[in-house]
Amino acid sequence: AQSVTQLGSHLSVSEGALVLLRCNYSSSVPPYLFWYVQYPNQGLQLLLKYTTGATLVKGINGFEAEFKKSETSFHLTKPSAHMSDAAEYFCAVTPNFGNEKLTFGTGTRLTIIP
Amino acid sequence: EPEVTQTPSHQVTQMGQEVILRCVPISNHLYFYWYRQILGQKVEFLVSFYNNEISEKSEIFDDQFSVERPDGSNFTLKIRSTKLEDSAMYFCASRTGRVQETQYFGPGTRLLVL
Repeated sequence: AQSVTQLGSHLSVSEGALVLLRCNYSSSVPPYLFWYVQYPNQGLQLLLKYTTGATLVKGINGFEAEFKKSETSFHLTKPSAHMSDAAEYFCAVTPNFGNEKLTFGTGTRLTIIP
Repeated sequence: EPEVTQTPSHQVTQMGQEVILRCVPISNHLYFYWYRQILGQKVEFLVSFYNNEISEKSEIFDDQFSVERPDGSNFTLKIRSTKLEDSAMYFCASRTGRVQETQYFGPGTRLLVL
């Protein structure tokens, strides 16, 4: 079984500051890991994913995440926050044998302070 | 770029009524999913569908729910007798059969049961 824990349901950062959204996972098999973003009144958009290979994954809009197996973590970062980054961010996990359901975390709502 | 579409975007219904939520997955995709998100909560898996049959369903997906792929393009979720607690955003997702491929989400249907 898989599960995801996102620390902090809300995060406020100043424009230009570092964004760090935390995600820890639990999985009985090697996982695939994802970050999705949900803008107000919109659907889920894939930011980035880790499947195999390089553990530092770059996504859209300047975001990146690092898979750390020893820490069972997949934290999302962006060096400099922009007002347009205000949204809800969901970490998700699925087993690495492919076509299984996604298990989502509870989400972190990111607010950007001008 | 191909995308998953969902109709309607919003639906209001009376408790006990049947609703059908429609999705058009990306055309070469083989796996289809429904998820829901109750307001303020995390995204939850409902059901996955492959080769014209359900491959996995969650505890939420009881006898009141059914899915169908009536033709080569549509994928529907039917709720036979809606309850107040069915009020949520319902997301359709699809993916190819290739390993490491992402699930692509539609914009969602917001269902309100009165």
